[in-house]
Amino acid sequence: QKEVEQNSGPLSVPEGAIASLNCTYSDRGSQSFFWYRQYSGKSPELIMFIYSNGDKEDGRFTAQLNKASQYVSLLIRDSQPSDSATYLCAVNRPNAGKSTFGDGTTLTVKP
Amino acid sequence: EPEVTQTPSHQVTQMGQEVILRCVPISNHLYFYWYRQILGQKVEFLVSFYNNEISEKSEIFDDQFSVERPDGSNFTLKIRSTKLEDSAMYFCASSAVSANEKLFFGSGTQLSVL
Repeated sequence: QKEVEQNSGPLSVPEGAIASLNCTYSDRGSQSFFWYRQYSGKSPELIMFIYSNGDKEDGRFTAQLNKASQYVSLLIRDSQPSDSATYLCAVNRPNAGKSTFGDGTTLTVKP
Repeated sequence: EPEVTQTPSHQVTQMGQEVILRCVPISNHLYFYWYRQILGQKVEFLVSFYNNEISEKSEIFDDQFSVERPDGSNFTLKIRSTKLEDSAMYFCASSAVSANEKLFFGSGTQLSVL
């Protein structure tokens, strides 16, 4: 079982729609959860982070965490073509000096 | 806005040669990392560094790899004898006060081993 697993893409949504990206993790003790966006040929940049169960909203982005189900998601509302990128889920276990990344889900937003 | 800087942006080397990739983390950050990404694959952890010593390393980070913080600003990754499979984008990252925080990534060094 992969430490961090993301729904296989690619994901394609029309402009203005909601994009839903999902991630599951294997270590129940994981405490910190991150979503990074990576444009082709570029480095990852942080979109959202979440530490507690529930929803966290920032503009058009909402991160959702359910530790009981070991599940974290990212919703992008009113998707724009500029949101087209690969979205990386990253998880930190306590006292681990690293983030573990999933394979990424590639999102395409079509005008 | 403070950023992590990496040099060079591209490095081409012959198999068996030594390479040093350089990074300047954000100045007040305490944790430093190297990750790599082979083309089309996931971002993989190599090593984390805190308080002038390695905090954690992956199976990838074998005896051919080493890291150093030679002064108060630079953080380097050395590959002693490069292999073809070392070809990848190498990202340096830093985090502020703990390893559980968000990472700030540099723009990467594309290493090509011929």
